[in-house]
Amino acid sequence: DTEVTQTPKHLVMGMTNKKSLKCEQHMGHRAMYWYKQKAKKPPELMFVYSYEKLSINESVPSRFSPECPNSSLLNLHLHALQPEDSALYLCASSQEQAGSVTNEKLFFGSGTQLSVL
Amino acid sequence: RKEVEQDPGPFNVPEGATVAFNCTYSNSASQSFFWYRQDCRKEPKLLMSVYSSGNEDGRFTAQLNRASQYISLLIRDSKLSDSATYLCVVTPGGDPGRRALTFGSGTRLQVQP
Repeated sequence: DTEVTQTPKHLVMGMTNKKSLKCEQHMGHRAMYWYKQKAKKPPELMFVYSYEKLSINESVPSRFSPECPNSSLLNLHLHALQPEDSALYLCASSQEQAGSVTNEKLFFGSGTQLSVL
Repeated sequence: RKEVEQDPGPFNVPEGATVAFNCTYSNSASQSFFWYRQDCRKEPKLLMSVYSSGNEDGRFTAQLNRASQYISLLIRDSKLSDSATYLCVVTPGGDPGRRALTFGSGTRLQVQP
């Protein structure tokens, strides 16, 4: 079972709604990530937080707003999404920022399947 | 050229077969290499890290060839439960503070009875 917990597991929202995705880990990891995955495609990096600071923003539209309240929590606030934003949103964590430290592994949550109508 | 390239498959093999996947990467400075497994509509899960000396975990063997810039995954005695998409994951180059793992597009394996 994954030690990264994401809620909700499924979310349907209209284009005018505001919603939030939540992610929590209690492994003491200092890096947390949001990935977006469309069907039959690999995960695409959206944001990286390292030591609660935004480290990487992969030019994500402002309708996606990340927040890292503390080292265990990561949120993704959604506002005015488009139907093409429908996807599986995956949260991940690692001890240190993967890519900066050799052999740093990512641990994923089970994801939120988002549908935008 | 993509940073990480994989044959998308699908690879359809009978139970008990041996199957191998390759993955090529473009950045010679890459330092970390992994194979992840992803089942349909589930999250990716770490299968194994890949080290220069090669490593084995039961029926799975991973190899790294730095000279030719590819990694491989060998699965022996395939089981039905091995059916999944196998993602090759590599660190890109550039500013260490701005590095994050890069995923290949995945190779789909279907093991048949």
